[in-house]
Amino acid sequence: AQSVTQPDIHITVSEGASLELRCNYSYGATPYLFWYVQSPGQGLQLLLKYFSGDTLVQGIKGFEAEFKRSQSSFNLRKPSVHWSDAAEYFCAVVSGGSYIPTFGRGTSLIVHP
Amino acid sequence: DTEVTQTPKHLVMGMTNKKSLKCEQHMGHRAMYWYKQKAKKPPELMFVYSYEKLSINESVPSRFSPECPNSSLLNLHLHALQPEDSALYLCASSQDKTGFSGYTFGSGTRLTVV
Repeated sequence: AQSVTQPDIHITVSEGASLELRCNYSYGATPYLFWYVQSPGQGLQLLLKYFSGDTLVQGIKGFEAEFKRSQSSFNLRKPSVHWSDAAEYFCAVVSGGSYIPTFGRGTSLIVHP
Repeated sequence: DTEVTQTPKHLVMGMTNKKSLKCEQHMGHRAMYWYKQKAKKPPELMFVYSYEKLSINESVPSRFSPECPNSSLLNLHLHALQPEDSALYLCASSQDKTGFSGYTFGSGTRLTVV
């Protein structure tokens, strides 16, 4: 069965600092990988996705993620964080068999001015 | 139109009430979903509709009754809910049931059962 681990419950960064949110997955083959962001009181918004091709994918709002097969990781990065990036971030995995995404528990990003 | 619209945004209902949540999309997506989300938790899948047919029911209690009148609309009928059903209810859509293109979520209905 597929699983997703987001090891950090909270991450605190200063505005303008760089950011990396970690995501590890467990699945035999290469799954479809996603990052979503959820602002308070809102639904989830798709930031980026990966299945094949270039392992560094660009998303919206200046985010990027790198797929590393050897580490079963799909970490989300941003070079300079803005106060408006404060939100909950969810990594998700979809395998070819189930079609139902498995979400990680989420990482709460706190941005200090 | 690249949105999923959910109404109402907030709903307070008693345990004997009947109410409905509505969801609408005009992106031509053929799969639609209901999710339940508790505070500080990831969303939990409730139902999947593919081409207007119920594809997956994740063992949801019968007090939740989904309906898909057409390819753009998805309803969730609520009856005799319990206080523990209070949550954010999210509707989502995707191009097809594989979900490989990713989901578009609505902003949700905040439900409080009193």
